[in-house]
Amino acid sequence: DLVMTQSPLSLPVTPGEPASISCRSSQTLLHSNGNNYLDWYLQKPGQSPQLLIYLASKRASGVPDRFSGSGSGTDFTLKISSVEAEDVGVYYCMRSLQTPYTFGQGTKLEIK
Amino acid sequence: QITLKESGPTLVKPTQTSTLTCTFSGFSLSTYGVGVGWIRQAPGKALEWLSLIYWDDDLRYSPSLKSRLTITKDTSKNQVVLTMTNMDPVDSATYYCAHTVSPDHFFDYWGPGLLVTVSS
Repeated sequence: DLVMTQSPLSLPVTPGEPASISCRSSQTLLHSNGNNYLDWYLQKPGQSPQLLIYLASKRASGVPDRFSGSGSGTDFTLKISSVEAEDVGVYYCMRSLQTPYTFGQGTKLEIK
Repeated sequence: QITLKESGPTLVKPTQTSTLTCTFSGFSLSTYGVGVGWIRQAPGKALEWLSLIYWDDDLRYSPSLKSRLTITKDTSKNQVVLTMTNMDPVDSATYYCAHTVSPDHFFDYWGPGLLVTVSS
């Protein structure tokens, strides 16, 4: 089975401090075209998910530059350089190399 | 400006068929590369990808639900319809539709979601 494993599942962070979320795929997400098909979404409380990062490291339109994505193959990381109160919610990685797309379990970021 | 909105019955009885409609604006499903996907989220659970339809009628389904799902599009009405048969209480969830563009595959615009409850 295609599995996406996120860690940690819970992430308490002090405002102004950095945060990091890991996402590991059971299969490589690296396409022959050189792109890694791994996306990151944030679901704020009571809202629909919103795209943060696509193709592992490209910021979506309007996403603050404190968010960055990195990684290749099977291991990926989402980093927030300086957490703000508005960043609370659940972060999901999603494998989009080919269908069926698969989401991670989610990482809940909360403010300390 | 791209918008999507899900509609359909919010209460379905077990064994019934659910028909959900995604009505969108700001793009056309006859445009090369464009697709609309469905994703659901059971209460307190993670997101689960269900199905996808592309401009060229390429259809994709979750293997675990493939026998119960049908996705269609009506380009003239700017709608995508997802039908799920034999509904069960475990199918109770918020159902989202979302816009995507091949070959990058990410979902960049999402609808607000529709909470569907399966109960007798």
